[in-house]
Amino acid sequence: LAKTTQPISMDSYEGQEVNITCSHNNIATNDYITWYQQFPSQGPRFIIQGYKTKVTNEVASLFIPADRKSSTLSLPRVSLSDTAVYYCLVEDSNYQLIWGAGTKLIIKP
Amino acid sequence: DSGVTQTPKHLITATGQRVTLRCSPRSGDLSVYWYQQSLDQGLQFLIQYYNGEERAKGNILERFSAQQFPDLHSELNLSSLELGDSALYFCASSRGFGEAFFGQGTRLTVV
Repeated sequence: LAKTTQPISMDSYEGQEVNITCSHNNIATNDYITWYQQFPSQGPRFIIQGYKTKVTNEVASLFIPADRKSSTLSLPRVSLSDTAVYYCLVEDSNYQLIWGAGTKLIIKP
Repeated sequence: DSGVTQTPKHLITATGQRVTLRCSPRSGDLSVYWYQQSLDQGLQFLIQYYNGEERAKGNILERFSAQQFPDLHSELNLSSLELGDSALYFCASSRGFGEAFFGQGTRLTVV
């Protein structure tokens, strides 16, 4: 099973780009990588999902190198409302869900 | 609003008791997932059902069980409760893979 590791916390400032990296060394060929955002006392909310290279949607980009042993969530021009916990998730072909411990992102004015 | 409904929102019970948490998935979603999140901790995947059948099992204790009914709603049963079972329990639903939608959770307090 893949194991996911991500930084415990990060700080940044409004208007900056924030990159959060997740390590998943044992990822298997068919595993997908997904990122979620969670605010206190709320359920996580889907941000983005990818398999390889780069995926972009209206809120974020996901970069996955060729070896797929890590992935980087990129949040462009963050605001105070982006302060939250961000989780990476590896979902394998046996439907096992391996969540990272979460990165607490604090955005300062 | 994610479209996933969990009841009750709050539950306080005593050690040794049994409780049932209920989840109604989004319309059309066949998969239901259950998670446990202890205070200031990450998400612990418990179990997944797809169209009534168990699909994957995570770190679910033997004292816990779940099922998904023909109308696709799901229930998580927690028995012989201990203080350490106090947590937020989330249900999520999806089409079967990819983006999952989470409910607001049930906060269980065991006293």
